[in-house]
Amino acid sequence: EVQLVESGGGLVQPGGSLRLSCAASGSSFSDHYMDWVRQAPGKGLEWVGRIRNKANSYTTEYAASVKGRFTISRDDSKNSLSLQMNSLKTEDTAVYFCVRELRPDYSLGWFDPWGQGTLVTVSS
Amino acid sequence: EIVLTQSPGTLSLSPGERATLSCRASQSVSRSYLAWYQQKPGQAPRLLIYGAYTRATGIPDRFSGSGSGTDFTLTISRLEPEDFAVYSCQQYGSSPQTFGQGTKVEIK
Repeated sequence: EVQLVESGGGLVQPGGSLRLSCAASGSSFSDHYMDWVRQAPGKGLEWVGRIRNKANSYTTEYAASVKGRFTISRDDSKNSLSLQMNSLKTEDTAVYFCVRELRPDYSLGWFDPWGQGTLVTVSS
Repeated sequence: EIVLTQSPGTLSLSPGERATLSCRASQSVSRSYLAWYQQKPGQAPRLLIYGAYTRATGIPDRFSGSGSGTDFTLTISRLEPEDFAVYSCQQYGSSPQTFGQGTKVEIK
């Protein structure tokens, strides 16, 4: 069974940077796309971005709201995923979840499992 | 991007009752690529349904999904105390994947 554990959240000022990490246990981490999904306080879920697997050249894709500011990377040798967040805005305040993307074919997929989440607060 | 609208916003029911939750898409969801998640306060979402009607591993059969095109439904046949939570739909038929805003099922 795959388990995901996020870390690195905290309080940061607007314009600042923060790096989130996700440690995965279990097998087949390297086979899958991995994503970040966030949830602002009292709000719905929002997809942030994904990193594909080695077979797909580790390419990345981002939501328009974070493109150019956030960067996703992975280290398959350590079963780890990272989210580098720069130029943070107050609207980036949210719980950030690390998720595995399961795809039925060569399309997009659903998310399972989810990490427990880590809270990022952007405030002065 | 596809906008998913869930209704109602809140559903007040008693244990043992049937819950019917709706997820409507702004355009057709390709190949019925729609998932449902359950989320309890302070917890991460849990996958319930994918492919519109396939239950995830370990999900009780009182949960069922249906629908196609732009209209999808999650039905809980008989509410158990642990089912009171927020339910969200997600489409993965086109990029970017998007979520509905959620339906809260609360105890009446």
